[in-house]
Amino acid sequence: AQSVTQLGSHVSVSEGALVLLRCNYSSSVPPYLFWYVQYPNQGLQLLLKYTTGATLVKGINGFEAEFKKSETSFHLTKPSAHMSDAAEYFCAVSDDNQGGKLIFGQGTELSVKP
Amino acid sequence: NAGVMQNPRHLVRRRGQEARLRCSPMKGHSHVYWYRQLPEEGLKFMVYLQKENIIDESGMPKERFSAEFPKEGPSILRIQQVVRGDSAAYFCASSPGPTVGQYFGPGTRLTVT
Repeated sequence: AQSVTQLGSHVSVSEGALVLLRCNYSSSVPPYLFWYVQYPNQGLQLLLKYTTGATLVKGINGFEAEFKKSETSFHLTKPSAHMSDAAEYFCAVSDDNQGGKLIFGQGTELSVKP
Repeated sequence: NAGVMQNPRHLVRRRGQEARLRCSPMKGHSHVYWYRQLPEEGLKFMVYLQKENIIDESGMPKERFSAEFPKEGPSILRIQQVVRGDSAAYFCASSPGPTVGQYFGPGTRLTVT
């Protein structure tokens, strides 16, 4: 069965600092991996996705993530945090056998200090 | 292009009543997914539908919950005889295909009193 673990339910960074949100997955078949962002009382917005091909994936708002098969990781990074990045971030996994069903991690709440 | 539409955004029901949640997918998307977000439990998959077919309902509670996606009209998630534990945010997502990423609606926040 697939699963996702997000290390750290809460991460706090200063404005302008590096953002690193960790995600590890478990999958018996090649995974499809996603990062979503959720602002308070809103739905989820797709930040980026990895399906096949290049392992470094660039997304919206300056975020990127690298698929590392050997480490079963898909960590999300942004070089310089902005106040508007404060939100909850979800890592999710799917595969060809799941019909697109997403398995989500527990989420990481990102706070950005001025 | 309109995104995924959900209504109502907020729904209050008394215990024992029925709740109907509606979802209109993005134009051109034929795959619809429903997820539930419970406090402290994160987002959990409930059901995956294509037009007139339930493809995967492995996340649906066995009783009181049902979903449909008719040939015409929105997808409906129906909860009969609601209980307090059904209070949650229910999100619908749509996709043009099963593995290309899903686009989420704003959610319906159900409160059972």
